[in-house]
Amino acid sequence: DAKTTQPPSMDCAEGRAANLPCNHSTISGNEYVYWYRQIHSQGPQYIIHGLKNNETNEMASLIITEDRKSSTLILPHATLRDTAVYYCIVRASNAGGTSYGKLTFGQGTILTVHP
Amino acid sequence: GAVVSQHPSWVICKSGTSVKIECRSLDFQATTMFWYRQFPKQSLMLMATSNEGSKATYEQGVEKDKFLINHASLTLSTLTVTSAHPEDSSFYICSASRATDLGYTFGSGTRLTVV
Repeated sequence: DAKTTQPPSMDCAEGRAANLPCNHSTISGNEYVYWYRQIHSQGPQYIIHGLKNNETNEMASLIITEDRKSSTLILPHATLRDTAVYYCIVRASNAGGTSYGKLTFGQGTILTVHP
Repeated sequence: GAVVSQHPSWVICKSGTSVKIECRSLDFQATTMFWYRQFPKQSLMLMATSNEGSKATYEQGVEKDKFLINHASLTLSTLTVTSAHPEDSSFYICSASRATDLGYTFGSGTRLTVV
């Protein structure tokens, strides 16, 4: 699986958009970009994932560059409860639907949302 | 949907004893389950991958005789830490995937303290 690079920490004011970058310059054509977050002493929580196109769900938006070498997770209106470690992970997908490759976690970005 | 239950959430045991941690997928059948370990202020480290009905695949450096993994059904995987020692104290997290490209769901984790 391709490796990712994320800034170790970021700050964001409550109510503002939080934009978390991720570099994955060695990503392969069949690798998806996944984002998870982990709030202290809890299991990681799935946020969003994408392959080529930008994606949006009720939690966040994922913007993937055209060359797919980087992406940005956007939390449109950050709240104090969004303070967590955010992990960007790339992983190959088996289009046949059989068992998956593993998720390898890097160090992630510690996002601190302040009042 | 896609809920993974992990039990117990915390456990304290004496050095030399064994501890079993359960991971259940409550509303879906998990073809593959993963076990992670996380030390304080560190990222998640994958320990092993288990597929239902077959032997687990352990990551390099993880002792298979010490960390016994059983995935006897599509909804249950167990991790047994045998002859636990204080250095095994950690946060253990499981995750499960379905045979579709919908990401992974994580349990809430188990805090193991060996005294």
